[in-house]
Amino acid sequence: DTGVSQDPRHKITKRGQNVTFRCDPISEHNRLYWYRQTLGQGPEFLTYFQNEAQLEKSRLLSDRFSAERPKGSFSTLEIQRTEQGDSAMYLCASSLEGIQDTGELFFGEGSRLTVL
Amino acid sequence: AQSVTQLDSQVPVFEEAPVELRCNYSSSVSVYLFWYVQYPNQGLQLLLKYLSGSTLVKGINGFEAEFNKSQTSFHLRKPSVHISDTAEYFCAVTANSGGYQKVTFGTGTKLQVIP
Repeated sequence: DTGVSQDPRHKITKRGQNVTFRCDPISEHNRLYWYRQTLGQGPEFLTYFQNEAQLEKSRLLSDRFSAERPKGSFSTLEIQRTEQGDSAMYLCASSLEGIQDTGELFFGEGSRLTVL
Repeated sequence: AQSVTQLDSQVPVFEEAPVELRCNYSSSVSVYLFWYVQYPNQGLQLLLKYLSGSTLVKGINGFEAEFNKSQTSFHLRKPSVHISDTAEYFCAVTANSGGYQKVTFGTGTKLQVIP
């Protein structure tokens, strides 16, 4: 396994359109996270899955955002009716639950969204 | 809740000069501390981490950081930077939140190495 992969790497869309991003975590990792990163900011937490259960959602995740991890493996993040303010890098990360759980995250290369 | 402050948004430094990137954190519980590096249009990559034990932690690419509990700091240092170190550096702190280690990132410091 080569790491966390995200698709697509870049997406340009018009305001009002729906977009979906996919994340494939490291295969043995049962925890998966979505972050959003805008220019000049650090990654901001959006949501967290343990296996297929979505255990935490940030207040940043408006009703237009939905994330799923149906079989506890890959995850999708969908944004409906995109707005220009949604333009950002969407980062996926994974980690392995364990006795020595430190919070170390393994990131994908991100999906950059541009809303025109 | 925990927070991370990176006071320097940009740090220019000449090649082969030393550099220090500052990070201060606040937390009411024990934490783990991390530095991640992000190259343009890429995700974040772990540089180093402090979990316990020796307060001086060595990471990849010649970087090191020192955990100072009394000053709640975790500054990143490199004695001699290279052009390839030009990137954005994020300090992060994790603390237990509902059964998992929740990560909080700083706003990042852009290191620009000048030839």
